[in-house]
Amino acid sequence: EAQVTQNPRYLITVTGKKLTVTCSQNMNHEYMSWYRQDPGLGLRQIYYSMNVEVTDKGDVPEGYKVSRKEKRNFPLILESPSPNQTSLYFCASSFAGGYGYTFGSGTRLTVV
Amino acid sequence: TQLLEQSPQFLSIQEGENLTVYCNSSSVFSSLQWYRQEPGEGPVLLVTVVTGGEVKKLKRLTFQFGDARKDSSLHITAAQPGDTGLYLCAGGNAGGTSYGKLTFGQGTILTVHP
Repeated sequence: EAQVTQNPRYLITVTGKKLTVTCSQNMNHEYMSWYRQDPGLGLRQIYYSMNVEVTDKGDVPEGYKVSRKEKRNFPLILESPSPNQTSLYFCASSFAGGYGYTFGSGTRLTVV
Repeated sequence: TQLLEQSPQFLSIQEGENLTVYCNSSSVFSSLQWYRQEPGEGPVLLVTVVTGGEVKKLKRLTFQFGDARKDSSLHITAAQPGDTGLYLCAGGNAGGTSYGKLTFGQGTILTVHP
């Protein structure tokens, strides 16, 4: 089944403790992207990647890092999480930039 | 920064009614996508429109891309309770320095009462 898999689905952590949210897709898509979704603010793009080793900032990149060492994987790294990064995070992939994306099921992160 | 204004924010209607959701911007997009999202799940792509003036139909849903590629609409005919959900429009860039960037509207929460 074609899909984007994120892990974990739920995560509660403490301020400052580094964490990684994994994302993997099995569709051989070139483009991958991370979003956060917050009430009243909608979905905002954090980072996106056009190919292996090629990434670019979205609208809200501060406090996040990404890497794209393999085509199928695009992990999101929070080096020092803060409470304002509490949010619902989605990873997505697409065969072509700017066109339809397939989304993962989301990761609900709480930073206390 | 590109912005997409989606309206209305909330829509509560009776089964069988028709409705239209609008998505407007001052920016030109390479594509306009519509997604539907259920609580606790990721958005699911409904349609992508790429040509100015394009109209696509998906059963009772009709999607239109404005001639200038700055706006789009989603029309649902004879809404059913199963249509209830969050509808999102998103503008895509397929060229220039924003290649791969996707900008979402705020979303429309649709509730269809039996």
